[in-house]
Amino acid sequence: DTAVSQTPKYLVTQMGNDKSIKCEQNLGHDTMYWYKQDSKKFLKIMFSYNNKELIINETVPNRFSPKSPDKAHLNLHINSLELGDSAVYFCASSLGSSYNSPLHFGNGTRLTVT
Amino acid sequence: QKEVEQNSGPLSVPEGAIASLNCTYSDRGSQSFFWYRQYSGKSPELIMFIYSNGDKEDGRFTAQLNKASQYVSLLIRDSQPSDSATYLCAVKVGQAGTALIFGKGTTLSVSS
Repeated sequence: DTAVSQTPKYLVTQMGNDKSIKCEQNLGHDTMYWYKQDSKKFLKIMFSYNNKELIINETVPNRFSPKSPDKAHLNLHINSLELGDSAVYFCASSLGSSYNSPLHFGNGTRLTVT
Repeated sequence: QKEVEQNSGPLSVPEGAIASLNCTYSDRGSQSFFWYRQYSGKSPELIMFIYSNGDKEDGRFTAQLNKASQYVSLLIRDSQPSDSATYLCAVKVGQAGTALIFGKGTTLSVSS
């Protein structure tokens, strides 16, 4: 199936730990994103990569580091996790060159920091 | 700062009625506009997009865009209980590249 897939689906960890979330898309898109959705359901852009190049880096603590080894993959590593990092993290992809190209979302990773 | 505003709701309509969801945006450079639906615990899924002034229809859904008023809306005709979800308005902002800026969503509840 063509899709955006991210792992793990759930992540429960303690404060201070380091964790990674992986994302892969087989839609042939050239742009990938990380979004954070907080407890109030607000979906906020964190990072955007186009052809492995960082395009958007919103005001995100530098404990968050995205890595894009190729156009089809975008991973998110989080150091020294804090309680406020608890949220659902969505990976998404699109054709960046097209102004009417929608985002296709993965199923999300629910991160709980205790 | 680029903003997308939506009434959080909840918007409650009876089955069979028309649900009207509204969205305003601050950046006049915005190029295209998207409506997503998100069920609880699920990922956002695209309903439709619009980039020209006027109306665009797709089945029971109609998107309306007025760039002069910086306003976009979504009408859902013959609302069904299965339409109960959070509806997210999103705007593609040219200067930011290709990212979508989302509103906080409107929760729709359709009662049978």
